[in-house]
Amino acid sequence: NAGVTQTPKFQVLKTGQSMTLQCAQDMNHNSMYWYRQDPGMGLRLIYYSASEGTTDKGEVPNGYNVSRLNKREFSLRLESAAPSQTSVYFCASRATTGGADTQYFGPGTRLTVL
Amino acid sequence: GENVEQHPSTLSVQEGDSAVIKCTYSDSASNYFPWYKQELGKRPQLIIDIRSNVGEKKDQRIAVTLNKTAKHFSLHITETQPEDSAVYFCAAILSGSARQLTFGSGTQLTVLP
Repeated sequence: NAGVTQTPKFQVLKTGQSMTLQCAQDMNHNSMYWYRQDPGMGLRLIYYSASEGTTDKGEVPNGYNVSRLNKREFSLRLESAAPSQTSVYFCASRATTGGADTQYFGPGTRLTVL
Repeated sequence: GENVEQHPSTLSVQEGDSAVIKCTYSDSASNYFPWYKQELGKRPQLIIDIRSNVGEKKDQRIAVTLNKTAKHFSLHITETQPEDSAVYFCAAILSGSARQLTFGSGTQLTVLP
């Protein structure tokens, strides 16, 4: 099992460019999440998907869109990147059977917007 | 909304000493409290968690205590070692459909040899 994987690992964009961050999990988890991590601010939830076919906004959704492509994949899109979106982005997944609450994180994508 | 406050933001201890990190939460409906460790450049990884029906949980040198009445929980690391140096995050689960986590702002723990 690879667990949660993310691509790319690093990305540099210019202001106004668009890109999609990819996330996939092979643990058959129902719920998936996108976070951003900024220095001194912990992890903040951008969007989440409780189950295949559903998505909802988290704490900081502005400037982002998501797609739950299937049970395995959950992508995050920046339509018009801004310097304020420079951050490290983590995807996570969680099983929803058996009362499980543990979230498993991917390795992260370090994004710089110039 | 749910808020989790974490203190201190930085903590330095001598190797072999104990370290304690504290978090408070605002949502009385929260019932799951994990702690994550994040080494430099790596992903957060769960090290211990506790549910609201338990007051304390231990795993070797790590323990977590929960006071539901006061709405705070703490991470205790005993006999610290240099490899314990990392950023530690507490979190609390929201009472929502996807069991979203709200994270504290993190504690940079440095264990001095």
